[in-house]
Order: sequence, then structure tokens, then C-alpha cells
Amino acid sequence: DAMVIQNPRYQVTQFGKPVTLSCSQTLNHNVMYWYQQKSSQAPKLLFHYYDKDFNNEADTPDNFQSRRPNTSFCFLDIRSPGLGDAAMYLCATRGSWGEDTEAFFGQGTRLTVV
Amino acid sequence: AQRVTQPEKLLSVFKGAPVELKCNYSYSGSPELFWYVQYSRQRLQLLLRHISRESIKGFTADLNKGETSFHLKKPFAQEEDSAMYYCALYNYGQNFVFGPGTRLSVLP
Repeated sequence: DAMVIQNPRYQVTQFGKPVTLSCSQTLNHNVMYWYQQKSSQAPKLLFHYYDKDFNNEADTPDNFQSRRPNTSFCFLDIRSPGLGDAAMYLCATRGSWGEDTEAFFGQGTRLTVV
Repeated sequence: AQRVTQPEKLLSVFKGAPVELKCNYSYSGSPELFWYVQYSRQRLQLLLRHISRESIKGFTADLNKGETSFHLKKPFAQEEDSAMYYCALYNYGQNFVFGPGTRLSVLP
């Protein structure tokens, strides 16, 4: 059973046209992450939420925004996608209790910018 | 600064041969290290973590603080082990830092 679900699996958007990627989780985890992964590269953290507290990485472009309306859902908004934003976007969650620091990943959304 | 390095982008071995995927890290505190695996067309998933000291699918990894390494080993590789492997560090600032990954190809 999928515990971290990303929709859609594949997204094609036009250059400059805003796009939103979504992530939902059934794990009731406090922490949610968004990673960007380009071909043959490591996943790169864009930002994360601890509950409603938003933590932006210093080198994440302003073009990328995020919303977390509740525990289960988190959105990645790209305000004006450029060709360089084409990548796989990974959502992950993690609990914050006890010693459990495993991150659970969704299957990712592959974004194509045309 | 936290950093995870995996020197090999691609590692090819024959079925039945031993395999070692290298991982080195830099972190000023006491790290928590993981190996994640991504099989073709599947999600990234945890393979093992150093605190549990367990063997998963025949793989083991020992944290060597002196050498700042967390190499992944398996004595006899299987074709189904072919995948992308990422070493990751959890820095207790809630973040995971991933290495660039090593693609393991096990040849028949």
C-alpha cells in the first residue's frame, strides 16, 4: 500500500506557466520534504516542513514555493518553470518520534518543461 | 559542511562476485547513515541504516567513524541487486543529505 503518493506521475508544462505538484501521506508524519533530482544526480533538498514550520534551503530559487494545508498534504508550486526546472521531484516524509528517522519516499513526479 | 561522496558512478560485477559500494561523509557531529536503493521504475526505498546493524538482502554496512566511511557490502551479488544506490546522512537538522549515487550492474 502506497504511503506517500505523488500526483501526477508525469507532468508536462509550458515554459513560464505555473505548475503545482502534489504529495499526500497516510503515515501521519510530522516532517515532509521536497527534493529535486536531475538526471544522474543526487536528490537535492528544496525545502521541508516540520508540522507547519517551513524551512527553505538557502539555495532554493524563489521560483519554488510550497504549501502544507494539513498534515497529509503538501504542494510544490513552481511559479514560472524554466527549461532548467525539468527534473524528477520527490516527496518524502519522516516521523519525529522515538528513534525512527527513516524517510519514506513517493514515486516522484517527472516534470517536463516545453 | 555536510557532504556525502560516492566515488563510483557505475559499478559492474558478475553474478556471484563480491560487491562493495563506497561511501564517505563529512559531518561535524555524530551522524546517522543510511543506504537507499532505487530499482528500475520504483521509488527510493530504505535498504539499511547503521543504527540497526542489520543485514538486508545480504547487504551489510559498517560505520567507520575513523575513516568517515559507510561502505555497503555483499559477498555474492545477484542480478536482482542491479539498481541505483544512494548513501545518505541524516543531520538532525531534520535533513537528509544524499550522495550522488552508484549504479550497480550485476552481469549474468
